[in-house]
Amino acid sequence: GAGVSQSPSNKVTEKGKDVELRCDPISGHTALYWYRQSLGQGLEFLIYFQGNSAPDKSGLPSDRFSAERTGGSVSTLTIQRTQQEDSAVYLCASRTGLDYEQYFGPGTRLTVT
Amino acid sequence: DQQVKQNSPSLSVQEGRISILNCDYTNSMFDYFLWYKKYPAEGPTFLISISSIKDKNEDGRFTVFLNKSAKHLSLHIVPSQPGDSAVYFCAAGKFNKFYFGSGTKLNVKP
Repeated sequence: GAGVSQSPSNKVTEKGKDVELRCDPISGHTALYWYRQSLGQGLEFLIYFQGNSAPDKSGLPSDRFSAERTGGSVSTLTIQRTQQEDSAVYLCASRTGLDYEQYFGPGTRLTVT
Repeated sequence: DQQVKQNSPSLSVQEGRISILNCDYTNSMFDYFLWYKKYPAEGPTFLISISSIKDKNEDGRFTVFLNKSAKHLSLHIVPSQPGDSAVYFCAAGKFNKFYFGSGTKLNVKP
């Protein structure tokens, strides 16, 4: 089925390098979320896109983190100058504009060495 | 500060018995609540939801109860099956932003 997809599934990078994580939401879903889950923790909200509105960036932990959503579809989360504490699973979710249920992708496991 | 808490990191239940997973939240303005189930190496999948105008929502073996005065919700699974073994997350929120708990790992023993 055409669920939410994320790439890569795993990424190992050296401290200080930049990484880009990609999310393809379900077609037609107007809302898109990024979360991260650190080891033993819950899902931490990072950023939210809704249609053409300005994104809610209130969850981004530092200015090293940024995200964009092109054409109201694909989204890219960029982490610059990665640090070891950035190691986590990064999850993307999308939903329609009509209800609250979010549909999650499988996540990208980021390891910063 | 965590706005949604799941105080039990794990729960073990015998097959056929009831599983009760609990969740507490701090913000009385939250008006929608969801439960997600997560298997290893997969993203969370939506299970059941409830709005603040209700106190109970049932879907097959799954029932969610909401106690607004206590800011508490629970998920009941009856009867529990081995395939229910997973991590369960509760989420609470308002408008477009949801806060997730840290999850409870349920193990249903055959």
